[in-house]
Amino acid sequence: DAGVIQSPRHEVTEMGQEVTLRCKPISGHDYLFWYRQTMMRGLELLIYFNNNVPIDDSGMPEDRFSAKMPNASFSTLKIQPSEPRDSAVYFCASTFGLAVGDTQYFGPGTRLTVL
Amino acid sequence: KQEVTQIPAALSVPEGENLVLNCSFTDSAIYNLQWFRQDPGKGLTSLLLIQSSQREQTSGRLNASLDKSSGRSTLYIAASQPGDSATYLCAVRDFNKFYFGSGTKLNVKP
Repeated sequence: DAGVIQSPRHEVTEMGQEVTLRCKPISGHDYLFWYRQTMMRGLELLIYFNNNVPIDDSGMPEDRFSAKMPNASFSTLKIQPSEPRDSAVYFCASTFGLAVGDTQYFGPGTRLTVL
Repeated sequence: KQEVTQIPAALSVPEGENLVLNCSFTDSAIYNLQWFRQDPGKGLTSLLLIQSSQREQTSGRLNASLDKSSGRSTLYIAASQPGDSATYLCAVRDFNKFYFGSGTKLNVKP
């Protein structure tokens, strides 16, 4: 398997624009996670899905953020409108399950810069 | 809320040295603890996972220990190499929640 795939790898946009980040999890993994990493706050869980259903979105910072998973092989994280403080690296991760021995596999991340 | 702390924030050592990275957490009711490696511009790679019922895990030159009662974990790297240079993060899992430390940036000098 190619691992978790994220696109784009880099995104530069202007304040107020809509941004869409994409993720393809590892085939067969039932759980998908979106994280945000900043220098100030470290790595934070935003939302996670189980079998395409959002389970916990308590980490989503504001209503400007939304995430969808229309099928088992694709998820999006959308920011509308974007703000400079949204600049961060956004990671997607997937895992087979939530048993104590299950590990997460991370994608390479999308570095977002909002000017 | 679980809080995860890693000390030191940065570490520079000469090649060949043995070293220890520390991770502490505030709530001992955890499912597991993982150590990840992050290279610049890349995602996280899992190094070791210790289940809550386990005390340690080993992989090659890496050994991770877990003491739930004291809320501590250590990652021991033996005979460090320049290729070990990266940021090391520990993550504590509380069923469906994952809490990450801020990482220790390791530089191994040739």
